[in-house]
Amino acid sequence: NAGVMQNPRHLVRRRGQEARLRCSPMKGHSHVYWYRQLPEEGLKFMVYLQKENIIDESGMPKERFSAEFPKEGPSILRIQQVVRGDSAAYFCASSPPSGDGFTEAFFGQGTRLTVV
Amino acid sequence: DQQVKQNSPSLSVQEGRISILNCDYTNSMFDYFLWYKKYPAEGPTFLISISSIKDKNEDGRFTVFLNKSAKHLSLHIVPSQPGDSAVYFCAASAVGSNDYKLSFGAGTTVTVRA
Repeated sequence: NAGVMQNPRHLVRRRGQEARLRCSPMKGHSHVYWYRQLPEEGLKFMVYLQKENIIDESGMPKERFSAEFPKEGPSILRIQQVVRGDSAAYFCASSPPSGDGFTEAFFGQGTRLTVV
Repeated sequence: DQQVKQNSPSLSVQEGRISILNCDYTNSMFDYFLWYKKYPAEGPTFLISISSIKDKNEDGRFTVFLNKSAKHLSLHIVPSQPGDSAVYFCAASAVGSNDYKLSFGAGTTVTVRA
């Protein structure tokens, strides 16, 4: 049973370009969460999705950021017109549809985005 | 605005000795606390948790202590082993908040010397 897979592991974008980060949840997991870790800070919640639905996007910047989790395929976090301040590690976690809460979630390895 | 602070960015300890990791928080609404462990090139993994109705929770070599009046918690690892070398994150969630909306500290890097 493969773990949560994120790709790419490292992504370099020039200012103004688009960044697309992918997350394939563990088999059987239908809940996906995205977190961002800025340099020298802790992880911060961005968005919680279930298949084809955004459940909670209260941690997502209002502009340039969007997320989706289609019926088929991975969850995508998209950042349009990237700026230097978007440079961070982006972690995805997934959890099963039922259970004892977030402690059952597993994190992926993360994508390190560098904006130059 | 860091509501969860891990003031020691790093800790070095001899194998077999105790590792003590500290975490302070500012939000009095936090009622559930977790520790995560992260190896290089891997995602964080859940280690141990404690709810605010307890002041201690133990799981094998890992014990978490909570001092609500001081808004402080600590993780004790005893005895420390080389495989414990990792980054440890403290996290907290607030009363009435969804459990995925955790506030994380910046992490403490533990190095266990042989």
